[in-house]
Amino acid sequence: ILNVEQSPQSLHVQEGDSTNFTCSFPSSNFYALHWYRWETAKSPEALFVMTLNGDEKKKGRISATLNTKEGYSYLYIKGSQPEDSATYLCASRNSGNTPLVFGKGTRLSVIA
Amino acid sequence: DTGVSQNPRHKITKRGQNVTFRCDPISEHNRLYWYRQTLGQGPEFLTYFQNEAQLEKSRLLSDRFSAERPKGSFSTLEIQRTEQGDSAMYLCASSLAGGQGMGKLFFGSGTQLSVL
Repeated sequence: ILNVEQSPQSLHVQEGDSTNFTCSFPSSNFYALHWYRWETAKSPEALFVMTLNGDEKKKGRISATLNTKEGYSYLYIKGSQPEDSATYLCASRNSGNTPLVFGKGTRLSVIA
Repeated sequence: DTGVSQNPRHKITKRGQNVTFRCDPISEHNRLYWYRQTLGQGPEFLTYFQNEAQLEKSRLLSDRFSAERPKGSFSTLEIQRTEQGDSAMYLCASSLAGGQGMGKLFFGSGTQLSVL
């Protein structure tokens, strides 16, 4: 059974700080890695979908890297803003026909 | 594109009652997923459909749970004889199959179930 681990579980940072989270997943039979942002009272929203080892993706102040050989991905937020406060979910799948397996998420609070 | 729609947003029921939730996916999406999320946990996979076919169902899913997608469009999730442990947020998501859209999930707002 695919197991996805995320750390830390929660994080409090000051506005303007940069931060990063970790997602670990099994490196064998890897197919894709997804990052989602889930703001309170809203739906989870996709940030990135990554498939290739060494892949790096960027969306504004948020970026992600992928290492499929060692089974981890990092999500970076540069210059955190209060609107970045959310739960960040990582999910992995080992084929195009298997469902995504989610980690427990990292809850980020950005203090103004 | 009106997004994924779920109804109701909230449901309070008494233990032992049956409940049914509905999900309307993005119209051109052929895959539809049901996930359940409890406090402190990530979304847990329940089942998914490609068009009207139910392709996979979690082994953790009790036989009190059943899902349908009769015409390959909207889906319903029914829980029979609810138990307090069924209290959770039930999330629906849709996507394109195969390599299209890289399997990115589009989620609804969820149905929050409380079993008293």
